[in-house]
Amino acid sequence: GQQLNQSPQSMFIQEGEDVSMNCTSSSIFNTWLWYKQEPGEGPVLLIALYKAGELTSNGRLTAQFGITRKDSFLNISASIPSDVGIYFCAGQILSGGGADGLTFGKGTHLIIQP
Amino acid sequence: NAGVTQTPKFRVLKTGQSMTLLCAQDMNHEYMYWYRQDPGMGLRLIHYSVGEGTTAKGEVPDGYNVSRLKKQNFLLGLESAAPSQTSVYFCASRAGTTQYFGPGTRLTVL
Repeated sequence: GQQLNQSPQSMFIQEGEDVSMNCTSSSIFNTWLWYKQEPGEGPVLLIALYKAGELTSNGRLTAQFGITRKDSFLNISASIPSDVGIYFCAGQILSGGGADGLTFGKGTHLIIQP
Repeated sequence: NAGVTQTPKFRVLKTGQSMTLLCAQDMNHEYMYWYRQDPGMGLRLIHYSVGEGTTAKGEVPDGYNVSRLKKQNFLLGLESAAPSQTSVYFCASRAGTTQYFGPGTRLTVL
C-alpha cells in the first residue's frame, strides 16, 4: 500500500523558534493535508493543499504541496507553548468513486521547552 | 451541532468478547470512515462508507465489520476481540475534501 515518510519523528525546540517538518511519498496524491493531534483528542485539520506547487498559510503555519505531488512540508514560525502536539501529514486521492480515505504519516511530535 | 461523536470513550474487553463502537455525525455528510491509531503510527483506514447502506474495506479490515443503516451513524463491530485490536479508534466524516474526526475510543483487549 501507499506509505508516507514523515520527518522528523520528534522535535525539541525552544519557544520562539521556527519549526519545519516534511512528508514524502512513493505515490502521487491529489490532496495533501496537515493535521494536529493533542492528547486524548482526534486530529484537527490545519491546512489543506489541493494543487501541485500550492503554498498556503494559516496564521503562523505555512505548508506547500510539492511540484511532483509526492511531497509536502509544514513550517511553524515563532513557536509558542500551545503548538505542542503531534503533527500528521496525510495524502488523499479523490477518485470520486472509492474510499478516498487518508494515508497518514507516522507523525512529528513537537515539544517546546520554555 | 456536535460534529462527530463516538461512544464509548474507553472500553476494556477480554479476548473473544464482542462489542460495537458507535460513531454519529450531525453534519449530513455522505462519507464516513473508521481508522485505528497505534503507538508511533499514523491512522490506518479500517472500513469506510460512501453513503447510507454502503460499506467497503479499507487498509486493515480483518477482524472488523461495519454497518451504515442510517446516514448519520457508522458502527464498527468486533465479533471476537483479540489483543492485536488494542488501539485507539477514530471515526471521521467528510464534506468536500475535509475529514472531520471524532475524539476517539480507547479500546484495550486483555
